[in-house]
Amino acid sequence: SQTIHQWPATLVQPVGSPLSLECTVEGTSNPNLYWYRQAAGRGLQLLFYSVGIGQISSEVPQNLSASRPQDRQFILSSKKLLLSDSGFYLCACGQYNEQFFGPGTRLTVL
Amino acid sequence: AQSVTQPDIHITVSEGASLELRCNYSYGATPYLFWYVQSPGQGLQLLLKYFSGDTLVQGIKGFEAEFKRSQSSFNLRKPSVHWSDAAEYFCAVGAFTGANNLFFGTGTRLTVIP
Repeated sequence: SQTIHQWPATLVQPVGSPLSLECTVEGTSNPNLYWYRQAAGRGLQLLFYSVGIGQISSEVPQNLSASRPQDRQFILSSKKLLLSDSGFYLCACGQYNEQFFGPGTRLTVL
Repeated sequence: AQSVTQPDIHITVSEGASLELRCNYSYGATPYLFWYVQSPGQGLQLLLKYFSGDTLVQGIKGFEAEFKRSQSSFNLRKPSVHWSDAAEYFCAVGAFTGANNLFFGTGTRLTVIP
């Protein structure tokens, strides 16, 4: 079965600084990959998804971007963080019939 | 459009008591339905899922859920709650959209008191 790794686990960054969160997947090939954000007291919001290398779709306009340089690597980035970017970021793989989640990254922007 | 509603933000139950977490969905076709559990600071773990067939599905950790099409509901139940069940629970519906992703409810936080 799939195993999803995310790092870092926790990150504290100042406003205006860049961001790079990494997600890697084991145990599957050519997966659909997803970035979700979970804000305090709210559900999971889909940010980006990718069906293959170099193929990125954004679900909501925002200060973030995503890239998929390798089949099992998915990166979430920002050039300048905003306070509103704080939250818990989850990487997932799968599709509508099942998704597996990584352990998440807690991002605090100060 | 698809959506999921979890009307209870926070539920407190005594250890050993029964539990029911509510979930209502909106979806134009036969839904794929899921319950996930999230411990503090952790990712999401799948408890159970429903695609078709028997409307009562069994999951891990002694949980079960019942799909009721007439009520657009997929409530999660457990006959006897353990202290380790304290966590946040998310209901989700799978969507046949371009993203083929899951749509999640806002979650229900479960507190278990001794």
